[in-house]
Amino acid sequence: GQQLNQSPQSMFIQEGEDVSMNCTSSSIFNTWLWYKQDPGEGPVLLIALYKAGELTSNGRLTAQFGITRKDSFLNISASIPSDVGIYFCAGRNNDMRFGAGTRLTVKP
Amino acid sequence: DAGVIQSPRHEVTEMGQEVTLRCKPISGHNSLFWYRQTMMRGLELLIYFNNNVPIDDSGMPEDRFSAKMPNASFSTLKIQPSEPRDSAVYFCASSSPAGQNTEAFFGQGTRLTVV
Repeated sequence: GQQLNQSPQSMFIQEGEDVSMNCTSSSIFNTWLWYKQDPGEGPVLLIALYKAGELTSNGRLTAQFGITRKDSFLNISASIPSDVGIYFCAGRNNDMRFGAGTRLTVKP
Repeated sequence: DAGVIQSPRHEVTEMGQEVTLRCKPISGHNSLFWYRQTMMRGLELLIYFNNNVPIDDSGMPEDRFSAKMPNASFSTLKIQPSEPRDSAVYFCASSSPAGQNTEAFFGQGTRLTVV
């Protein structure tokens, strides 16, 4: 099946710092999606990207759809404690596959 | 919109028992996905449906697992007989088909414990 390689696996940062995480794949995707999961909850959609090269922002979040359609990154600026959680990338063609997640810890 | 609704939220069952997990997708969505989440394996796609038809069930781990979507507003994932290694959180997600606005939205999951 299609493999998504997400990095880093975990990040420990100070409040106010910027964060960057990315996903790569050997396969091309038509859509890239970024989700956040809090403990005991389902993943919640943060950003959806539909076109190669697309750069999209949602508040302090910025994500890009790589020009090759095989990668995407997510940036979080000026992190705050409530950014804590696990962030997942997902690539969609007909099905939808997930990366292994990036666990973010923000120290006040 | 109430979002994707899964039931039950928690299920504890004895090994060998049948387990049925339920999902109501968002109204108007005609793609539905079942995932299993564990610490070791992350989010694994088990099966997905388009227009109530199973498209790819290659992620279903064994014949003990089966999924149905009898209509556009309901799907079930059944495990019979259940085993302790099936313990995980099972998620359902729904979306419009690929090629349209393809954001997928998740339910809150069913935490299954098989003892």
